Amino acid sequence: ETGVTQTPRHLVMGMTNKKSLKCEQHLGHNAMYWYKQSAKKPLELMFVYSLEERVENNSVPSRFSPECPNSSHLFLHLHTLQPEDSALYLCASSQGQASYNEQFFGPGTRLTVL
Amino acid sequence: TQLLEQSPQFLSIQEGENLTVYCNSSSVFSSLQWYRQEPGEGPVLLVTVVTGGEVKKLKRLTFQFGDARKDSSLHITAAQPGDTGLYLCAGSTPSNYTGANSKLTFGKGITLSVRP
Repeated sequence: ETGVTQTPRHLVMGMTNKKSLKCEQHLGHNAMYWYKQSAKKPLELMFVYSLEERVENNSVPSRFSPECPNSSHLFLHLHTLQPEDSALYLCASSQGQASYNEQFFGPGTRLTVL
Repeated sequence: TQLLEQSPQFLSIQEGENLTVYCNSSSVFSSLQWYRQEPGEGPVLLVTVVTGGEVKKLKRLTFQFGDARKDSSLHITAAQPGDTGLYLCAGSTPSNYTGANSKLTFGKGITLSVRP
């Protein structure tokens, strides 16, 4: 595998379900990100991890819970979601301390909440 | 709050035509990136511009960073169907957190369709 991978690519869940999204980067980066992409809106930054520590949480509801066990893996745990949470969830990574924050994205997980 | 306005939002052109699209802000950015996103995929980085007035070329794509580092343009020469996609610009500003990367602010994107 190369680049940034995400699983699953598609997920349909009910509002009472608990599921997790997984992201893995094979680029040797030490910063990882979760973004939400909804139609007609800019990419919304959700969480940032740098050197496995969460350094940014952009007022994301607690029904989204991130986890970064090491610099290569990032999870987004989901529970009691709402239909408006349906969106494309993108993971990205970058090299920490680099002059320019060039981020490399995974293909995304298309989430539908029924 | 930094905002990036991209225009036009939608563009449909014939193969072979030239086009220019824009990314504008009232904020100054330390660098600006352009990404292209195809349906069902994540954004792919095309270019990073850093210096005010900088011009970078990537085959038929020409990117320019404004002198004041608040805006950017993307010009495509002789567009091809393979250029179809969502073009996103993202401006970089320092993070509030020590040791963290700078923060990227994204525009809504420009949906380009090139008809054969």
